[in-house]
Amino acid sequence: EDQVTQSPEALRLQEGESSSLNCSYTVSGLRGLFWYRQDPGKGPEFLFTLYSAGEEKEKERLKATLTKKESFLHITAPKPEDSATYLCAVQAFDSWGKLQFGAGTQVVVTP
Amino acid sequence: DTAVSQTPKYLVTQMGNDKSIKCEQNLGHDTMYWYKQDSKKFLKIMFSYNNKELIINETVPNRFSPKSPDKAHLNLHINSLELGDSAVYFCASSQELASYNEQFFGPGTRLTVL
Repeated sequence: EDQVTQSPEALRLQEGESSSLNCSYTVSGLRGLFWYRQDPGKGPEFLFTLYSAGEEKEKERLKATLTKKESFLHITAPKPEDSATYLCAVQAFDSWGKLQFGAGTQVVVTP
Repeated sequence: DTAVSQTPKYLVTQMGNDKSIKCEQNLGHDTMYWYKQDSKKFLKIMFSYNNKELIINETVPNRFSPKSPDKAHLNLHINSLELGDSAVYFCASSQELASYNEQFFGPGTRLTVL
């Protein structure tokens, strides 16, 4: 069965203190790996899709990378507005669009 | 605004009652989903519909019945509510089934069963 494990569960950062979140996965044929951001009381907001090992994508202070077994979300010089739960999800080729989510990493950035 | 919308945002009810949650998307997408997020914040798919046809049914109790009157709407009806049904339910949509397209999520409906 497809599995997604995110670490750490929670991360507390000072403003400007860069860090990385990890998403380890096992899936039978990866169609895509997705990163979402979820703010309290809101639905997940799409950030990136990665399709193949070696791929990288960037958006403002966020950069996502993918290997054959894991993905990293790097947060460079974070600001308090980057505080959120970051969710990783995988989609397999035979999954009919189903996203298998990890439990998320809760990030708090303090001024 | 183009988006995925859900009603109601909050739903508090007694055990044994029947309730419905409505979802609408105006993104022109073909596929819609229901996800459940439990108290540990774990998001798990329940159903997906493509052009009004049920595609995924993830071992959800029969008390949960999705209905898609058209491809822009996917409603969730829950019979005989139980305490364990308390969770946040999210509707989502994507452009095509089993494609590379990302899924867009609604704001969620927080269901509390007393």
